Amino acid sequence: DIVLTQSPATLSVTPGESVSLSCRASQGISTSIHWYQQKSNESPRLLIKYASQSISGIPSRFSGSGSGTDFTLSINRVESEDFSVYYCQQSYSLPLTFGSGTKLEIK
Amino acid sequence: EVQLVESGGGLVQPGRSLKLSCVASGFTFSNYGMNWIRQAPGKGLEWVAYISSGSSYIYYAETVKGRFTISRDNAKNTLYLQMTSLRSEDTALYYCARLGGPGYVMDAWGQGASVTVSS
Repeated sequence: DIVLTQSPATLSVTPGESVSLSCRASQGISTSIHWYQQKSNESPRLLIKYASQSISGIPSRFSGSGSGTDFTLSINRVESEDFSVYYCQQSYSLPLTFGSGTKLEIK
Repeated sequence: EVQLVESGGGLVQPGRSLKLSCVASGFTFSNYGMNWIRQAPGKGLEWVAYISSGSSYIYYAETVKGRFTISRDNAKNTLYLQMTSLRSEDTALYYCARLGGPGYVMDAWGQGASVTVSS
């Protein structure tokens, strides 16, 4: 199975700061990585697909990059509504796997 | 508006069975592959099962293979998850999720159905 390691586990930031969240795959997966946001007591929401492809309705401050084993979700100037948990997921091979998440919290 | 509404969750004893349903609306259900994803209390996301649009392809996580069965009724716009031989470690919120286009990318999620396995 492909293991996805997200770091850091928790990131404390001040609104207005820009941040980068990391997701590392245990083997090369091309660009088959997707990012989801999960707010407290809500369902996950797709933010970015295939490493860098934008999703309709998602604010442009969210962007993704990377290929192979190292991937990054960037948030340009974090807003209050962005404080939540972020998961990466690989679709390179079954079983589908998720990272353990990065919690973005207010400093 | 795309909507996925799960139901059928509840409290069940270890070893017993439960069947979850997910009713889809706002899109042509029969054109999309579907997944079940679960989330144990306070934990991350775990993929459970996949079914293709016409039910030709079905895959399971090893943790549920042989105990869970995914199925769908395209005439009723409904996805199912039959769970048998339930264990305490199956306790979770179970989400149905739509695959948005080629590849296993989940672009729409339901609100989840809670399953608690306990004596």
